[in-house]
Amino acid sequence: QKEVEQNSGPLSVPEGAIASLNCTYSDRGSQSFFWYRQYSGKSPELIMFIYSNGDKEDGRFTAQLNKASQYVSLLIRDSQPSDSATYLCAVNGGGANNLFFGTGTRLTVIP
Amino acid sequence: DTEVTQTPKHLVMGMTNKKSLKCEQHMGHRAMYWYKQKAKKPPELMFVYSYEKLSINESVPSRFSPECPNSSLLNLHLHALQPEDSALYLCASSPEDTGRETQYFGPGTRLLVL
Repeated sequence: QKEVEQNSGPLSVPEGAIASLNCTYSDRGSQSFFWYRQYSGKSPELIMFIYSNGDKEDGRFTAQLNKASQYVSLLIRDSQPSDSATYLCAVNGGGANNLFFGTGTRLTVIP
Repeated sequence: DTEVTQTPKHLVMGMTNKKSLKCEQHMGHRAMYWYKQKAKKPPELMFVYSYEKLSINESVPSRFSPECPNSSLLNLHLHALQPEDSALYLCASSPEDTGRETQYFGPGTRLLVL
């Protein structure tokens, strides 16, 4: 059974701070890693994807991948109240496009 | 345009009803997915269609019946559901199903079974 684990939170940060979200996965054969944001009652929205070890930056978001440690993280700089949502880590194993989701981390950005 | 549409937005049905959920994408994606999401839980994969053929069925009860009439459309036929089937049903699509493809989600259908 492929497992993806996240700290469920809630994680609270003040506006303007850096929010750090973490995810570990069990399947060493996993190839691609995704972060989705989900507002309450809405569907998941893709924030970032990362395939290779290291950092990938997109605006205020940075994804970090360490395959040796089976660890992927998402940093949100200059956090805004509109960033308050549940962040889902999703991992794709080899072969068919079967995404395994973590349970999500609920982030609250306090104005 | 990375848009996946789903209808209806909300659905209330009795346990003896038959209803269908519809999903549509016009991005030329060749893989489409159904997920089920209960409150405060992550999405759970139900079915994967690749090139209009069912490639993954995650041991879903037969009261859920998927159909892919063409490369743009995906249906989920519902029959004799149970109250515990009440959930948000999400459709997603990706360009291919090679394992590195980003999946784009539709807005979902919120289903209540009475």
